[in-house]
Amino acid sequence: EPEVTQTPSHQVTQMGQEVILRCVPISNHLYFYWYRQILGQKVEFLVSFYNNEISEKSEIFDDQFSVERPDGSNFTLKIRSTKLEDSAMYFCASSEDRQPQHFGDGTRLSIL
Amino acid sequence: GESVGLHLPTLSVQEGDNSIINCAYSNSASDYFIWYKQESGKGPQFIIDIRSNMDKRQGQRVTVLLNKTVKHLSLQIAATQPGDSAVYFCAENKSGQAGTALIFGKGTTLSVSS
Repeated sequence: EPEVTQTPSHQVTQMGQEVILRCVPISNHLYFYWYRQILGQKVEFLVSFYNNEISEKSEIFDDQFSVERPDGSNFTLKIRSTKLEDSAMYFCASSEDRQPQHFGDGTRLSIL
Repeated sequence: GESVGLHLPTLSVQEGDNSIINCAYSNSASDYFIWYKQESGKGPQFIIDIRSNMDKRQGQRVTVLLNKTVKHLSLQIAATQPGDSAVYFCAENKSGQAGTALIFGKGTTLSVSS
C-alpha cells in the first residue's frame, strides 16, 4: 500500500538554526499538508498546499515557516530560526481530490 | 472557540468486547468527519470517514455514527483485539474539500487487555 514517507525520523537542532523537514507524499496525490503534535497534545494543522500554492494556513504558520515542492516528489517544511517551542512531532499528509488525508510517521524535532 | 473533543481520555476493555469511542463537535457547519488511530511512534492512520449527509457508515469491524442533532460522533469497534490498543482521534473538516484543514480532538487512549 502506498504511504507517505518522512525524513529524518528525528532532528536535533540548536535554537536559532534553520531546519528543513522532508516528505515524499503518495505519488498520485495532489494535495499536501503539514501538521504538528506537541508531546501529549492533539494534532494541529499548519498548512495545506496545492498546485504550488498555499491553500490554507493556520495562525501557527507564521513568517518563520515556509513550504516548498522543489521537485515532482518531495514536499518540504522549513523553519527559518527555530525556537524552543517548535519542538514537536511534525506530520506530513497528502490526499487526492477528496479526503481522507493520509499521514506519514512524522519527524520528531528537538530544539536545544 | 470551535473545537472537536472526546468525552473520555481513556477507555479500557477486554479482548473480544465491543468498544465505543465518543466525540462531540461544536461546529454545526462541519461537513466531514474522520477517525484516525495513532499507535506509539507512528502517524495518524485513517480508519473511517463520514460526510454530514449520512448518519452511519460501516467498515471492517468498525462503524461510525453521526448524530447531527446533538453534534455527536462515535466509533464502534467490534470484537476488540489487543492490536486495537492505540490513541483514537476524531477530526472534522468544514467543507470536506481537499486542501483544507482537519481539526483534531484530543484523543482517547484505548487499552485492550487479553
